[in-house]
Parts: sequence; structure tokens; C-alpha cells
Amino acid sequence: GENVEQHPSTLSVQEGDSAVIKCTYSDSASNYFPWYKQELGKRPQLIIDIRSNVGEKKDQRIAVTLNKTAKHFSLHITETQPEDSAVYFCAASKRGSTLGRLYFGRGTQLTVWP
Amino acid sequence: SQTIHQWPATLVQPVGSPLSLECTVEGTSNPNLYWYRQAAGRGLQLLFYSVGIGQISSEVPQNLSASRPQDRQFILSSKKLLLSDSGFYLCAWSPVGGREQYFGPGTRLTVT
Repeated sequence: GENVEQHPSTLSVQEGDSAVIKCTYSDSASNYFPWYKQELGKRPQLIIDIRSNVGEKKDQRIAVTLNKTAKHFSLHITETQPEDSAVYFCAASKRGSTLGRLYFGRGTQLTVWP
Repeated sequence: SQTIHQWPATLVQPVGSPLSLECTVEGTSNPNLYWYRQAAGRGLQLLFYSVGIGQISSEVPQNLSASRPQDRQFILSSKKLLLSDSGFYLCAWSPVGGREQYFGPGTRLTVT
């Protein structure tokens, strides 16, 4: 099956700095890569996703990049704010999966200090 | 628009008692449905998934079971809870042919 590794497990940044979270996947058949943000005690929320036919996608301060050759993808948050503090999960899903099963990384606790 | 509900929001149950958690989705038909558990810490563990009524697949063998009696209803059950069943239980759905998964608000279960 697919194996998704996520690093770092914890990340602390100063407000206004950038944050980068990296994930690697093992199965070259994976072609959908979402990112979720989970605030304390809340449900995971889908914040951005990317498909394997593109290399980068941006949404305001958030961007995701994908390197299919190296089988890794990253979440970039610019101009971080205290409300960005949360646990972030990456995931991967395989091509041809009618179920759409997601394989999740173990999460990154991001803390943004004011 | 689509909405996903879970209840109860919190639950405290003694060891050995039964469990029933419910999840319903509104505003869509024939969704894929999922049950996840999030134990202390951060990981999301897939427990069960379903592509249609009566079709349940299990990811992890344990004392939990799932059922899908209606198209947009997904139930997680146990006959006898263990201490290790404590956690945050999340239901999720994805549209037919879609890739995005959307999570419900979750049920926080404490087994005492």
C-alpha cells in the first residue's frame, strides 16, 4: 500500500515568517494530494489540494508544490499569523481508486508566535 | 450544499458497555463514507469505509463494526467497549467520482 511520511512533526515560527511542511509518498500511482488543517478540538478541514497534472497551486498565503519524479509534495504558508497555528496533515490518493482512499501523514504541529 | 452531522458530540462510557455513533450526510446522493479514529496525539486511523448501502470494508480488525442502513447514514458500533477505544471519532464523506473528503464535527469518546 501507500506510505506517506511527513516532516517535521513540530514547527515553530515567528509571526510573519514562512512555514514549509514536506511529505513524501511511496506509490507512483498516487495522483491526488490534499492538505488538511486541524485546529485544537476541531475536525480536519481541507485547505488546498493538488493533482499530479500540475506542479504548483496557490490560494492566497498558501501554496502546494509537487515533484512527481522525487515523489514529494510540500505545503508553503507565507506571512504566517497566530491563527495558522494548528496540526496540518498531508495525504495521498491513488489513481483509479473508486473509493478515493486517503493515506495520511502523521501530522505537523505548527505554532506561530506573535 | 452538503452537510455532514455526527452525534453525539461527546460520550463517556464504562468499559464493557455498547456503543453506537451515527453519521448522516445531507445534500448529496450515494457518497463514499468513512469512519476514522484519532487517538491521543494526531494520527488519523481509517477504520471502515463504504461505497454503498450494505457495503462495508474494514481496515483494522478490532471490536468495532460499521453499518450503512441508508444511503446517507453510517453507524459505528461496538458490543463491548475497551479502554483503548477512547478517542476522537470522525466520519467523512466524498462525492461519487470525487477525490475530496470532508469531515464531520466528530464524537469525542471517553471509555472509563
